[in-house]
Amino acid sequence: KNEVEQSPQNLTAQEGEFITINCSYSVGISALHWLQQHPGGGIVSLFMLSSGKKKHGRLIATINIQEKHSSLHITASHPRDSAVYICAAPLYSGGGADGLTFGKGTHLIIQP
Amino acid sequence: DAGVIQSPRHEVTEMGQEVTLRCKPISGHNSLFWYRQTMMRGLELLIYFNNNVPIDDSGMPEDRFSAKMPNASFSTLKIQPSEPRDSAVYFCASSTGTGVTDTQYFGPGTRLTVL
Repeated sequence: KNEVEQSPQNLTAQEGEFITINCSYSVGISALHWLQQHPGGGIVSLFMLSSGKKKHGRLIATINIQEKHSSLHITASHPRDSAVYICAAPLYSGGGADGLTFGKGTHLIIQP
Repeated sequence: DAGVIQSPRHEVTEMGQEVTLRCKPISGHNSLFWYRQTMMRGLELLIYFNNNVPIDDSGMPEDRFSAKMPNASFSTLKIQPSEPRDSAVYFCASSTGTGVTDTQYFGPGTRLTVL
């Protein structure tokens, strides 16, 4: 059972719509990552947040540490936002560094 | 900055052959991560290093997989012998600090096909 759950798995929307992608996780963490993977396969880190909210352009990420839940919002969506969005959390702490456990990803398609 | 560099970008090999994937992290980063991505399982952590020391290799599938980081600027992931089920995209990522509250920077990945 994956301990980082995302919803929805697939989302198709029209250009201009407000998009919300949700992520929940099973154990307490100190930070959560949102990643974007384009059709070409490259992975880019969008946000790393440990509390509250972060904004970058049309992207907004929020996290509620107590409820173990995070959301990624896209305002005024555009076809170039079409990608797979992945949330990830360091669920298992090592002695000096922490790898990430990933959600299955949300495949977003924005139609013109 | 060149970012995280991985080589080769594509590898096609036959079952039973040895495969070596290479990664050069961003200069100054002291944590390095190896991930694998498949359609069935998504992204999975294989192993990570901090200051060149392997911290947790519990994600390595089996003894056929091994990883080394001989110095701060180079890491390898080796599969010997390779099997068709090892076909996947292998990503390397690096970060400053421990990677928990630090952004991880991903390489372009190596697409491995084992026939």
